[in-house]
Amino acid sequence: GNSVTQMEGPVTLSEEAFLTINCTYTATGYPSLFWYVQYPGEGLQLLLKATKADDKGSNKGFEATYRKETTSFHLEKGSVQVSDSAVYFCALSTGNNQGGKLIFGQGTELSVKP
Amino acid sequence: GAVVSQHPSRVICKSGTSVKIECRSLDFQATTMFWYRQFPKQSLMLMATSNEGSKATYEQGVEKDKFLINHASLTLSTLTVTSAHPEDSSFYICSAPSGGSGNTIYFGEGSWLTVV
Repeated sequence: GNSVTQMEGPVTLSEEAFLTINCTYTATGYPSLFWYVQYPGEGLQLLLKATKADDKGSNKGFEATYRKETTSFHLEKGSVQVSDSAVYFCALSTGNNQGGKLIFGQGTELSVKP
Repeated sequence: GAVVSQHPSRVICKSGTSVKIECRSLDFQATTMFWYRQFPKQSLMLMATSNEGSKATYEQGVEKDKFLINHASLTLSTLTVTSAHPEDSSFYICSAPSGGSGNTIYFGEGSWLTVV
């Protein structure tokens, strides 16, 4: 079946450090891939997405490239800030996006220290 | 501003009672909405797909008689947790696709349910 696997957290970094959060997926067809962010006490916000192989999604300094050959969609940011502390979820939707049905990874908590 | 709104954001209810959570799309019509549940420090698990004008589709292992879903209009879906128990305490969040060429998926703010 379809699934998403993320690196386990929590991840603790110092401000301005480089961030990578690994995400790999298993899916039939050609999924769309997403990264969502959940700040403490809030709902989910879409961070970035990619809909086909080799697409790069980017937003707020974060980026992720859809790698079909490695079935990966790793999230990166060159210099993290304290305000980036949150839980990050990798997700996929399959086929024609199934109208919005998402399968989430387990989430990775990021804590950035000043 | 928010394009999908949930209410209430927090609710505490007594064991054995029922509680209703509303999910509204504010700027668009949504024939389909999705309900997820998230336990502390865990991922979001899809519970059911809410379909306007027809029955909801439940994921395997989700009790449809316990989690009643009503999608009465193109902008409103409700989730009712019936005969709630402490193990139902969780974060419930809905989403709705906006449709169109972008088909952006918007999430509500989520609802924290505590059953005491």
